[in-house]
Amino acid sequence: EVHLLESGGDLVQPGGSLRLSCAASGFTFSSYAMNWVRQAPGKGLEWVSTTTGPGSTTYLSDSVKGRFTISRDNSKNTLYLEMNSLRAEDTAIYYCAKDPRESSPYYSDHWGPGTLVTVSS
Amino acid sequence: EKVMTQFPATLSVSPGERVTLSCRASQNVNSNLAWYQQKPGQAPRLLIYSASTRATGVPATFIGSGSGTEFTLTISSLQSEDFAVYYCQQYNNWPLTFGGGTKVEIK
Repeated sequence: EVHLLESGGDLVQPGGSLRLSCAASGFTFSSYAMNWVRQAPGKGLEWVSTTTGPGSTTYLSDSVKGRFTISRDNSKNTLYLEMNSLRAEDTAIYYCAKDPRESSPYYSDHWGPGTLVTVSS
Repeated sequence: EKVMTQFPATLSVSPGERVTLSCRASQNVNSNLAWYQQKPGQAPRLLIYSASTRATGVPATFIGSGSGTEFTLTISSLQSEDFAVYYCQQYNNWPLTFGGGTKVEIK
C-alpha cells in the first residue's frame, strides 16, 4: 500500500527558510515522479513543484521559482522541498503527491495528509 | 498557462440526485484532465484521469467526459459521502493547473 507522510511544517517569519520532507513507502520510489502541491487556508489547490523519478529533471511554478528547490533521495525514499525567502502568501498546507509514472506532466494518484506552513511575524 | 475554470462554484443538492460539474480549459488540453475529490480536513483523492477513466476503487456513479476544452464530472446518484469539493486539473502542459473547485453541499 502506498504511504506518503509529510513533515517539517512550522511557523516561520517572513524571509525565513524551511525544509519539508515526504517519506514514501509501499512502492518503488525511484520509478515515479513526485510533486508538491499546496493549499492556502480556505482556498484551492496550487501546483508547486515536480521532480522526475531519477530526480534529474525538476519543474517549479513561477510563484516559487528562485526561492524553492525540490529534490529527492531515492536511497532514503524521501522527497524534499527547500523553501527560502518565505512570504505570507506561502502560508498553506503542503501536500506530497505521487504520479503513476516516472516522468511528467501527469496527474497524481496518491497524496499525503499534508503539513502546514505558516509564514507570519 | 492554461487556466481551468470550474462552475458552478457551489451546488446544493439532495441525496439521490444526479449532479453535473463543469470544467473549462482556456486552451486545448486534449484528454489530459483529472478530477479529484476533497473532503474537509483531508487530502485530495484521485477520482478520474484521462478525462473519463475511473481511478482504482472509485464507484461507477462517478462519470467523467469531455475533451479539448470542455469537461464534465457527473455523479449519477449522490450519496452522503459524496458531499465534498471537486477539483479538475490539466496535465497537458506545464505548469500543472487546477480549477478553483466546485463545492457540492447538502440541500
